[in-house]
Amino acid sequence: SQQGEEDPQALSIQEGENATMNCSYKTSINNLQWYRQNSGRGLVHLILIRSNEREKHSGRLRVTLDTSKKSSSLLITASRAADTASYFCATGPDNYGQNFVFGPGTRLSVLP
Amino acid sequence: GAVVSQHPSRVICKSGTSVKIECRSLDFQATTMFWYRQFPKQSLMLMATSNEGSKATYEQGVEKDKFLINHASLTLSTLTVTSAHPEDSSFYICSAVGQGNEQYFGPGTRLTVT
Repeated sequence: SQQGEEDPQALSIQEGENATMNCSYKTSINNLQWYRQNSGRGLVHLILIRSNEREKHSGRLRVTLDTSKKSSSLLITASRAADTASYFCATGPDNYGQNFVFGPGTRLSVLP
Repeated sequence: GAVVSQHPSRVICKSGTSVKIECRSLDFQATTMFWYRQFPKQSLMLMATSNEGSKATYEQGVEKDKFLINHASLTLSTLTVTSAHPEDSSFYICSAVGQGNEQYFGPGTRLTVT
């Protein structure tokens, strides 16, 4: 199984500031995905970046991938209180994703 | 650690038939379970939230009449794909929420509709 580990485990910022979360993994990947989870809710897919991509944008989200360092970062710009959630990364297998293993996540708190 | 099982692990069915997938939490009770689907090399996509004793909550774009969810007990949720078509071929994964609000994922069910 693949595994991503997020860093930091908790992050507290003011509304309007940028939030950066990091993810490290251990083996080679085909893609890396970021998800968010609000308390008690399911994981919601945010963005997928493939191993041959270095950077990807989606709205206020920016994801980078450095396969040489086996790491990825998720940047949320101009954060809002509604961005308060836990953020997880997961690495993608060759085909179907048996045995998804998520790290403990980064708990982001955006203070108004 | 907490264990979640899914049955069957793989299923092939003919177009127009229905398929039931079971998700069980083996050593803990889960009032909430989630159902995801995944296409090859894609992310998990949340389909619905299954709550024990109440109706499931479906994500936008997921047809509730096509993907029937029943959470009849604290350890079992079922997903029935009704009148399956080839485009429903996918990998279906459930997760069960433990007491600490952590998610435990099942091993997934690969559905192929011919």
